[in-house]
Amino acid sequence: DADVTQTPRNRITKTGKRIMLECSQTKGHDRMYWYRQDPGLGLRLIYYSFDVKDINKGEISDGYSVSRQAQAKFSLSLESAIPNQTALYFCATSDPGGVGGSVDTQYFGPGTRLTVL
Amino acid sequence: KQEVTQIPAALSVPEGENLVLNCSFTDSAIYNLQWFRQDPGKGLTSLLLIQSSQREQTSGRLNASLDKSSGRSTLYIAASQPGDSATYLCAVRGGSNYKLTFGKGTLLTVNP
Repeated sequence: DADVTQTPRNRITKTGKRIMLECSQTKGHDRMYWYRQDPGLGLRLIYYSFDVKDINKGEISDGYSVSRQAQAKFSLSLESAIPNQTALYFCATSDPGGVGGSVDTQYFGPGTRLTVL
Repeated sequence: KQEVTQIPAALSVPEGENLVLNCSFTDSAIYNLQWFRQDPGKGLTSLLLIQSSQREQTSGRLNASLDKSSGRSTLYIAASQPGDSATYLCAVRGGSNYKLTFGKGTLLTVNP
């Protein structure tokens, strides 16, 4: 079984709808992340969480919200989807390790392809 | 603000060739640098992580080097195979200790 799973894998929705993307992990990591990937723009960080009580905005958090339900679960919500939120969304986990997080390796889920019409 | 650039954006080589992918970054205050592989429509797989105190890491046919002072890393792939065809991304973890900044990737095609 995959260590980081995302549901759904594909979703088509309409402008104005509320959408939730879910991420679960079995790696036992405290740190979880949500990224979006757009052609020509690379991966950009939306939100990250260092533990269940810690939620932080990334570089492009506007229009998104998150919920860390448990160590293993981190959900991303689009309250009112718009077409420019069409992208590939990735969840990732990591374990800091080392001094200053120098060996912190991120593990990615398979992605959710979201299309907003 | 950290910026990561990968050159070339795309590379096509015949099978068996040795090749080098390049990554440069603007802020040398990093904790580590990672190389990832991404297959079409799939997630990212971590290939190698180089800590800021290290100069290189090796895994099988892959060798990654890091020159932090000049803001450069290279990924060397020996004896390339068609199965190596993918997009290769580099990412640096900066001084905030949480954020990975990604390059846009190099699309590698290895022709049989």
